[in-house]
Parts: sequence; structure tokens; C-alpha cells
Amino acid sequence: NAGVTQTPKFQVLKTGQSMTLQCAQDMNHEYMSWYRQDPGMGLRLIHYSVGAGITDQGEVPNGYNVSRSTTEDFPLRLLSAAPSQTSVYFCASSFLTGTRNTEAFFGQGTRLTVV
Amino acid sequence: AQSVTQLGSHVSVSEGALVLLRCNYSSSVPPYLFWYVQYPNQGLQLLLKYTTGATLVKGINGFEAEFKKSETSFHLTKPSAHMSDAAEYFCAVTGGYQKVTFGTGTKLQVIP
Repeated sequence: NAGVTQTPKFQVLKTGQSMTLQCAQDMNHEYMSWYRQDPGMGLRLIHYSVGAGITDQGEVPNGYNVSRSTTEDFPLRLLSAAPSQTSVYFCASSFLTGTRNTEAFFGQGTRLTVV
Repeated sequence: AQSVTQLGSHVSVSEGALVLLRCNYSSSVPPYLFWYVQYPNQGLQLLLKYTTGATLVKGINGFEAEFKKSETSFHLTKPSAHMSDAAEYFCAVTGGYQKVTFGTGTKLQVIP
């Protein structure tokens, strides 16, 4: 049972480049999300999805796109990388019970540096 | 809206001393509450959770937390700190919005 798998683990981008961070889960969770983690700021929600074909913005969505074509996959796209997007990115998934999330399972993270 | 406040970005305790990490929340509906731990260069993993029922919940590695509705708190405790407890701890809440809000984290240092 792999849980949540994120790739790549490390990435260096030049300003203006684009890339996709991959996230896959094998637990049949409806809910998937992307966070960025910056020192002193905790985890901030970028985008989330409550099921295939349904996505919504979190608190810091600018500069990022997502799609959810299957239950398993939830890729995060950086459209034109900026130094302010240097961060550690985590994908997480969970079940939903009504409007509440159950325990979240996290990937190992992607450490992104934009130069 | 829902939010979480963790008091103290850094906490230091001596090995064998009580660990107390504070978390206060706000939620417009009865919340689910979580504590997660993050070791260096790793993802977050669940320590314990409160959903419904017993307000004192026990988690892994000897940690426990008590849900106090009147105080809107969910503080994390451990009677005796161990060197292996050094990590960053995050409190989180989920309420009526189909998403999870995390606190800013507390780094626990254990002094030998």
C-alpha cells in the first residue's frame, strides 16, 4: 500500500519556467489537496478537490493550476515560476464525512527552488 | 470560518519533563481536531484525532490531547519527554468547509 506518492522530491527551476508536480493516492480518497510550507507560516492550502472533476481554490492559489481527471491523481502546475514560489510542497488526501475531513495522509514533499 | 492558533513557535523542555503544546481553534460547527508531527525532511503523520465521543484522546508515542469545548482548546501533552520527540507539531481543524486548516506549527526541542 503506497499511500500518497509525490514526484519529484527535489526540483530547481529558472524564473519563468513551468512544471508539474505529480501526486497520486491509492486509498480511494475523495479529497485531495496541495499545501505549501514556508518557515513560520505552517501549511497553507493552495488548491483542493472533493472528487474527480471538482476543484477549488485555497488561500494561496495564484500562480498555480490543478485538475482532477481521476480519483487517484491530482497534479499541481506552476504556470510561470517565480522566486516567491520557492517552498516545500505537500500533497495530502483524506475521506470526507459530510463537510469534515478525516485523517489526512501526506506525501513526502517536493522541495522546489526557483532561481 | 475556521482557524487554529498555536501558542509558541518554539518550545524547549528537558528530557523527562512534561510536554505541553497549546492549540486553540475556532469553528462555526462542531469540529474534528488533529495533531500531526513532522520530522525533518519528512511529511506530516497523524499523532491523534478528536471527532466525537470521549474528549480525552490518546495517540501514538504516549501523546494525548483533551478537547475542551468551553475553552475552544485542544492542547497536546506527554508526561515525560524523550529525545525522539524533537520535531515540529501541527494542530489542525476541519469544520463545515470540506477543508483542513493548519496552525503555524510548534517546534519542540528536547534538552538532554
